[in-house]
Amino acid sequence: NAGVTQTPKFRVLKTGQSMTLLCAQDMNHEYMYWYRQDPGMGLRLIHYSVGEGTTAKGEVPDGYNVSRLKKQNFLLGLESAAPSQTSVYFCASSYGSRTGEAFFGQGTRLTVV
Amino acid sequence: GESVGLHLPTLSVQEGDNSIINCAYSNSASDYFIWYKQESGKGPQFIIDIRSNMDKRQGQRVTVLLNKTVKHLSLQIAATQPGDSAVYFCAENPDNYQLIWGAGTKLIIKP
Repeated sequence: NAGVTQTPKFRVLKTGQSMTLLCAQDMNHEYMYWYRQDPGMGLRLIHYSVGEGTTAKGEVPDGYNVSRLKKQNFLLGLESAAPSQTSVYFCASSYGSRTGEAFFGQGTRLTVV
Repeated sequence: GESVGLHLPTLSVQEGDNSIINCAYSNSASDYFIWYKQESGKGPQFIIDIRSNMDKRQGQRVTVLLNKTVKHLSLQIAATQPGDSAVYFCAENPDNYQLIWGAGTKLIIKP
């Protein structure tokens, strides 16, 4: 049982480049989330999805887009990367709302130079 | 805006002793709180949660206490082990989908 899998694990981008981070979960969860974690800080919610075909903005959505075309996948896109987007990105999924027992992926370390 | 914060950024505890990690929250509307553990290089892992209609909840070697009067949470870890070394985050859930996270406390276990 893989749980939540993120790809890639590491990436270096030049300013202005674009990329997509993939999150896949095999637990049939309805809810999926993308967070970023900066040094010495907790996680901040970027976007989330409450089901296939739905997305919504979180606390820090600017500069990111997401898509949930399939229930098991949640994609995070950066159209024009900026150094301020250097961070560790975590995807998570949960079986229901109002639950803290979300399952997290291992993270993607992104550096924008 | 509303925020969740931690009193101590680093806590050093002797192996075998009990650990107490504290957290303050400021969103009085929050009614659900969670503790997560994050080991180096890994994603956060759920430890325990508590709803505002409770003031104490126990798990395996862990206890969470909630004091709504002073908006304070604590996580108690009994008989701390080397595997407990990690950063611990408290988070509050003011609505259905968003978690507001504190900055984290690093727990260091001394042999």
